[in-house]
Amino acid sequence: NAGVMQNPRHLVRRRGQEARLRCSPMKGHSHVYWYRQLPEEGLKFMVYLQKENIIDESGMPKERFSAEFPKEGPSILRIQQVVRGDSAAYFCASSDAGGYSNQPQHFGDGTRLSIL
Amino acid sequence: GENVEQHPSTLSVQEGDSAVIKCTYSDSASNYFPWYKQELGKGPQLIIDIRSNVGEKKDQRIAVTLNKTAKHFSLHITETQPEDSAVYFCAPYAYKYIFGTGTRLKVLA
Repeated sequence: NAGVMQNPRHLVRRRGQEARLRCSPMKGHSHVYWYRQLPEEGLKFMVYLQKENIIDESGMPKERFSAEFPKEGPSILRIQQVVRGDSAAYFCASSDAGGYSNQPQHFGDGTRLSIL
Repeated sequence: GENVEQHPSTLSVQEGDSAVIKCTYSDSASNYFPWYKQELGKGPQLIIDIRSNVGEKKDQRIAVTLNKTAKHFSLHITETQPEDSAVYFCAPYAYKYIFGTGTRLKVLA
């Protein structure tokens, strides 16, 4: 079984451009979570999605950031008009049950976003 | 909100020795307690977890102990090996996962 797949693994953008990060959950998983990790720090929750629904976006900045998980295809984390402070590793995790049922999350290997 | 602390932040042990990492949390609603191992350039990998109705769980060289009254749980690694070197995170769950700040473990050969 394929694990959680994230692409690209590395993404370089100039300030003001858009960044799109993709996540394909594990087979059979319909719950996706996005986290951000700065160097030498832990992971910070951003958003939790089910197919076609955003369940909890309390950790995601209100401006410039958006996330979706369409009926078909991967989950997308979109960052518009990127700034240097957006440079980080972004991790996606998936689970086979909802975020309120304390099921294990399985992580991808992340996308490392660098802003020039 | 939930406050999660890990101690120590760095830990160096000789190969074959034991390592213990402690995670303290504040939300009494936490009911699931996983530990993740993160190697350089990789995503966190679940290595062991415990639920609130159990006090201890063991899987070969790895064990987790939970003290719900004191609100802490600990990761125990015995007979450490160089491949155990990584950053370890606790992530107690109370409606969402809150990750600790991590412990960098170095196993010296």
